[in-house]
Amino acid sequence: AQTVTQSQPEMSVQEAETVTLSCTYDTSESDYYLFWYKQPPSRQMILVIRQEAYKQQNATENRFSVNFQKAAKSFSLKISDSQLGDAAMYFCAYRPNFGNEKLTFGTGTRLTIIP
Amino acid sequence: DGGITQSPKYLFRKEGQNVTLSCEQNLNHDAMYWYRQDPGQGLRLIYYSQIVNDFQKGDIAEGYSVSREKKESFPLTVTSAQKNPTAFYLCASTKLAGSVNEQFFGPGTRLTVL
Repeated sequence: AQTVTQSQPEMSVQEAETVTLSCTYDTSESDYYLFWYKQPPSRQMILVIRQEAYKQQNATENRFSVNFQKAAKSFSLKISDSQLGDAAMYFCAYRPNFGNEKLTFGTGTRLTIIP
Repeated sequence: DGGITQSPKYLFRKEGQNVTLSCEQNLNHDAMYWYRQDPGQGLRLIYYSQIVNDFQKGDIAEGYSVSREKKESFPLTVTSAQKNPTAFYLCASTKLAGSVNEQFFGPGTRLTVL
C-alpha cells in the first residue's frame, strides 16, 4: 500500500522569506502523480501544484515550486516570497497512474506566516 | 459557474440517527469521492464511484453508505453504526479520461454528533 509522510506538523516563516515543506512517499509503482493541496481556514481544498513522475523537470507555478527526487521518493514544496495569504494547511498527495484515481494524502503541515 | 456543492455546511445529529450529506457537481466529471478529515490525520477515503450505479469502499467505509443514481450526485449517509462520526467531510470529483486529472473539492460539511 502506498503511504505519504509529512514529518513537519507545523512550520512558520517570515513574510517575504522562503520556506520548504517536506513530503516523502512509499510506492512500488514507477508511474504516478504527486500533488500539493492547500487548505486555508475556509477549509476549501485548493490544488497548488502537481508533478508527473515520468517528468524529470520540477514543476513550477509562480512562487511555488517542487523538488522531486524520484529515487529518494521525496517531493518537497518551496514557497518563495511568502505572503500572508499562504497561511494554510498543506497536504501532499499521491496517485498511481492507473485504475481508480484514488488519492493518498499525508497528514498535513500547518504553515504560519509571520508579518 | 461550474463546481461542486455540498450541503449542509453544518450538520448536527443525535446519537442513533442516520444523516445524509449531499454532494452535487456540474463539471461533468466521471468519478466522485468522499473523504473524512480529522485533526492530525489528513484526509481518508470513505467511498468512491467511477460510474453511475457503481461504487467501491475506501479505507474507512464501515458505518457509511453511498449511492450514485445520477452522474452529478453522490450522497453519503452516515449511519448509526459509525462509532465516531463527528468530523469534517469533503466530497471531490475528477474526470477519468485524458492527462493528469486533479480532484476538485467541495467546500465540505462539518458533522457534529450531540
